Amino acid sequence: SQTIHQWPATLVQPVGSPLSLECTVEGTSNPNLYWYRQAAGRGLQLLFYSVGIGQISSEVPQNLSASRPQDRQFILSSKKLLLSDSGFYLCAWTRQRGETQYFGPGTRLLVL
Amino acid sequence: KQEVTQIPAALSVPEGENLVLNCSFTDSAIYNLQWFRQDPGKGLTSLLLIQSSQREQTSGRLNASLDKSSGRSTLYIAASQPGDSATYLCAVRDSGNTPLVFGKGTRLSVIA
Repeated sequence: SQTIHQWPATLVQPVGSPLSLECTVEGTSNPNLYWYRQAAGRGLQLLFYSVGIGQISSEVPQNLSASRPQDRQFILSSKKLLLSDSGFYLCAWTRQRGETQYFGPGTRLLVL
Repeated sequence: KQEVTQIPAALSVPEGENLVLNCSFTDSAIYNLQWFRQDPGKGLTSLLLIQSSQREQTSGRLNASLDKSSGRSTLYIAASQPGDSATYLCAVRDSGNTPLVFGKGTRLSVIA
């Protein structure tokens, strides 16, 4: 069976510090991978998605970036966090032809 | 550009009631539609996936219908229980490799 992991579960970071969130999928190969952010009182915002290693599509211009160094690993990064980066970050995956999408447990980020 | 709307934003019902959650989308040429459940502070759990060629899908007390021509889907929950309390999100995918477009969800409270 397939599982998706995210870490850390919770993170408190000062403004201006760097960020690295990791997502790993087990039990499948060549998945489509996604990063979303859910801010308090707002909907689910797609940040990045990837259909293969090294292929990243950005949905929203901001100070975040994503990388996919391995087939089942997706990393969300920032060089300098802003207060507005606070939120709940969710990673998700689907098989290549867009079947059922599965989400990870999320990382709650608080930027102070 | 595809837009997904969910009405109502919040709903409170007594335990045992049957209820319907609504989802509408602006572009009827979709690939599939997926319903999710999100408990507070948690990731999204997939409930049902309906392919564009299907009219409905059932899982236990849940039944999701799809009317592509009118751009609507409904999630029917039979004999509601307090454990059904959560936010329910609807999302559509326009083609096999494009990201899901999410509604903002309906927050359901089932009162014992």
